[in-house]
Amino acid sequence: AQSVTQLDSHVSVSEGTPVLLRCNYSSSYSPSLFWYVQHPNKGLQLLLKYTSAATLVKGINGFEAEFKKSETSFHLTKPSAHMSDAAEYFCVVSEPGSQGNLIFGKGTKLSVKP
Amino acid sequence: DAGVIQSPRHEVTEMGQEVTLRCKLISGHNSLFWYRQTMMRGLELLIYFNNNVPIDDSGMPEDRFSAKMPNASFSTLKIQPSEPRDSAVYFCASSPTTGGESYGYTFGSGTRLTVV
Repeated sequence: AQSVTQLDSHVSVSEGTPVLLRCNYSSSYSPSLFWYVQHPNKGLQLLLKYTSAATLVKGINGFEAEFKKSETSFHLTKPSAHMSDAAEYFCVVSEPGSQGNLIFGKGTKLSVKP
Repeated sequence: DAGVIQSPRHEVTEMGQEVTLRCKLISGHNSLFWYRQTMMRGLELLIYFNNNVPIDDSGMPEDRFSAKMPNASFSTLKIQPSEPRDSAVYFCASSPTTGGESYGYTFGSGTRLTVV
């Protein structure tokens, strides 16, 4: 069975400092992994996805994530936080043959201080 | 492409009333998902369809909830009768059918339902 664990429910950083949002997954097969972002009172937007190509994935707004099979991790990073990055971030896993069904983590709320 | 379109954006209704939420898929997408989001429970998958056929409705909380896809591009989620605990943001999302690799979903902007 597939599952995903976001290790921090809330992360707070200062503007201009690096961002690290942690995610571990459990999957019986080679999964597809995603990060979604949800700004306040908005829908969810796809940030980036890993689907068995390059292990370092670049997304929108300067975010990237690295797939590490040995650690079953897919942490999201950004070198320098911007105020507009304040939002909730969801790590998501999907297995082949699951008909596209995605399993969402519980989310990490990112706060950015001026 | 206008994306996934949900209506209404906001709905306030009295307990016991019927509520219908609507969703229009992206053209060419074959899978449709309904989610509910609350502070307490986060994002919960209610039901999903593939090629208009319900695949998994195990997340539908009770018989008061029903979902349909009358055609390939449109879905409704109905709550009858509604209760205050149904208050949440309801999202629908669509994705292309794949041979196994997932492309992820495109989400609508959600319907904020308040039952008083």
